[in-house]
Amino acid sequence: DGGITQSPKYLFRKEGQNVTLSCEQNLNHDAMYWYRQDPGQGLRLIYYSQIVNDFQKGDIAEGYSVSREKKESFPLTVTSAQKNPTAFYLCASSPLAMTGLNTEAFFGQGTRLTVV
Amino acid sequence: AQTVTQSQPEMSVQEAETVTLSCTYDTSESDYYLFWYKQPPSRQMILVIRQEAYKQQNATENRFSVNFQKAAKSFSLKISDSQLGDAAMYFCASYSGNTGKLIFGQGTTLQVKP
Repeated sequence: DGGITQSPKYLFRKEGQNVTLSCEQNLNHDAMYWYRQDPGQGLRLIYYSQIVNDFQKGDIAEGYSVSREKKESFPLTVTSAQKNPTAFYLCASSPLAMTGLNTEAFFGQGTRLTVV
Repeated sequence: AQTVTQSQPEMSVQEAETVTLSCTYDTSESDYYLFWYKQPPSRQMILVIRQEAYKQQNATENRFSVNFQKAAKSFSLKISDSQLGDAAMYFCASYSGNTGKLIFGQGTTLQVKP
């Protein structure tokens, strides 16, 4: 079955450590996105990518980094520079253009990151 | 700038009644798409309905319909005959066809009372 997979579901890290969240899709989508979800703040865009080896900063990119070496994969690294990294992180993918009938973004099940 | 604003943090509706969730957006582009997503307690995001900005006709999907007011940059979601399973957080989203940027609002938590 086609879909988008985030792993792990729960992640614990000590303060000061970098941590990488995995996102893999087999939907043959060109575009991929990373969001952070905090209570009362909705989904905020961290990074997005429309093509391999290219990505753009979203609204809250500071303290995060990404890579897009393969079409299927878009890992997110939460660096020690991120001041408040504890949050729920969602990855999504979509076709490059939303013009097709019923085109939409598909989401993974999310990773809950807790930094202690 | 591309923005999406949902001004209702929480809403409640009686089962079988109708409720409208509000969303306003801002964009300087002509090529954009609007979406409503539902996030139940499982936190899995589910598409409810989508609207192409170039279409004047309001989108409908069974009990869900939108009121798309392009000039006012408003995109509200109407849920008719509300069911207990509709209880969830609802997010409004805007996609730019030029930049490929997909952004979401703050969300509205909908409670359905039996």
